[in-house]
Amino acid sequence: EAGVAQSPRYKIIEKRQSVAFWCNPISGHATLYWYQQILGQGPKLLIQFQNNGVVDDSQLPKDRFSAERLKGVDSTLKIQPAKLEDSAVYLCASSQFNPGQVTLAKNIQYFGAGTRLSVL
Amino acid sequence: GQNIDQPTEMTATEGAIVQINCTYQTSGFNGLFWYQQHAGEAPTFLSYNVLDGLEEKGRFSSFLSRSKGYSYLLLKELQMKDSASYLCAVRSSPYNFNKFYFGSGTKLNVKP
Repeated sequence: EAGVAQSPRYKIIEKRQSVAFWCNPISGHATLYWYQQILGQGPKLLIQFQNNGVVDDSQLPKDRFSAERLKGVDSTLKIQPAKLEDSAVYLCASSQFNPGQVTLAKNIQYFGAGTRLSVL
Repeated sequence: GQNIDQPTEMTATEGAIVQINCTYQTSGFNGLFWYQQHAGEAPTFLSYNVLDGLEEKGRFSSFLSRSKGYSYLLLKELQMKDSASYLCAVRSSPYNFNKFYFGSGTKLNVKP
């Protein structure tokens, strides 16, 4: 089974520039998560999709960050304009979870390798 | 709000046993996950507890006490490849969907 694919792996931009990250989840996974992981910290959830709908974006800085999941499959996360404090690894994860399903297998999150963003 | 605490860093010797603690305060608690993350790599799932008690999985075991808001990950027969960060993640399930809150991770250094 193919894992969660993310691209690019690394990106270096200057502040105020724009950047986009792409994620392709595991086939059939209904839930997709975008996390921000700053060096030395745990992942922080930015946005969560259930199929192609947003279920939680409470921690997404909406003045500069946007995300979409067209057709309920792959997803893009965009930052415009970038700030120095956006330097982090952006992780995408997916799970089989659908409301009403509580078995463990369907609630494990599988992570992609991440995109390491450096804002100069 | 959600609060998850783990020690920042631990060091142990190859072949030994190490216990990594996690304390949490969360609403709508619905399970606790442990993930392993090697430097520069994605987190990978290790274990899961939703009921009180010990879950054993080879060299790794995880314990949960919901009344105390406490969990630990026990690693036995440590190997050099166990050097990694260990993330404690709490699942909260409001409104029929899952939210995950991660601790900052415990960096484990295994020495020969």
